Amino acid sequence: GESVGLHLPTLSVQEGDNSIINCAYSNSASDYFIWYKQESGKGPQFIIDIRSNMDKRQGQRVTVLLNKTVKHLSLQIAATQPGDSAVYFCAENIKGGSYIPTFGRGTSLIVHP
Amino acid sequence: DAMVIQNPRYQVTQFGKPVTLSCSQTLNHNVMYWYQQKSSQAPKLLFHYYDKDFNNEADTPDNFQSRRPNTSFCFLDIRSPGLGDAAMYLCATSRGLAGVTETQYFGPGTRLLVL
Repeated sequence: GESVGLHLPTLSVQEGDNSIINCAYSNSASDYFIWYKQESGKGPQFIIDIRSNMDKRQGQRVTVLLNKTVKHLSLQIAATQPGDSAVYFCAENIKGGSYIPTFGRGTSLIVHP
Repeated sequence: DAMVIQNPRYQVTQFGKPVTLSCSQTLNHNVMYWYQQKSSQAPKLLFHYYDKDFNNEADTPDNFQSRRPNTSFCFLDIRSPGLGDAAMYLCATSRGLAGVTETQYFGPGTRLLVL
């Protein structure tokens, strides 16, 4: 099976709420993780990344948390806006592998105005 | 402003009729990738070029081929499309191999319909 997966296929939130999208991975050799946003009819767009030597990384309105103990990754979006509606993918790089990220299953985020 | 361009955005072909999808980039990146993405699924890497070096994923069917005549252009050829090949095909680029220091830039994709 896939080594990168998501817990929830669809997440619905109200505009202004905070959103949390979760991702589990199974390969302990994964050393780099990326979150992508894919809007309808578009290609994936890089949002934020994190290396395995970090637990947290913040961007503009987004925070990625990494828990290596339980092999869990999350993307937090603050003050979610309708423009955040999209499918979000986590991807992992495996140390010693090809260094091309492997995508996990997506979560569809729906933001209600 | 477009950096990774895919043409056409929508392509209709007949079962068994060869089809070619195009990708071009203005970033002068060394690496170009082709992904297949089926509905509600994650993108699946088919192959990539590092400069002129072609790298095929182990599970990519022989029906899929690629050409990169120069740095800017890369083509995906499907020799005999089957109904199961209907999907979105995404092209991406990166300066070096995507990883800790290199970000991938994706095009908008070409949606292929096989009749």
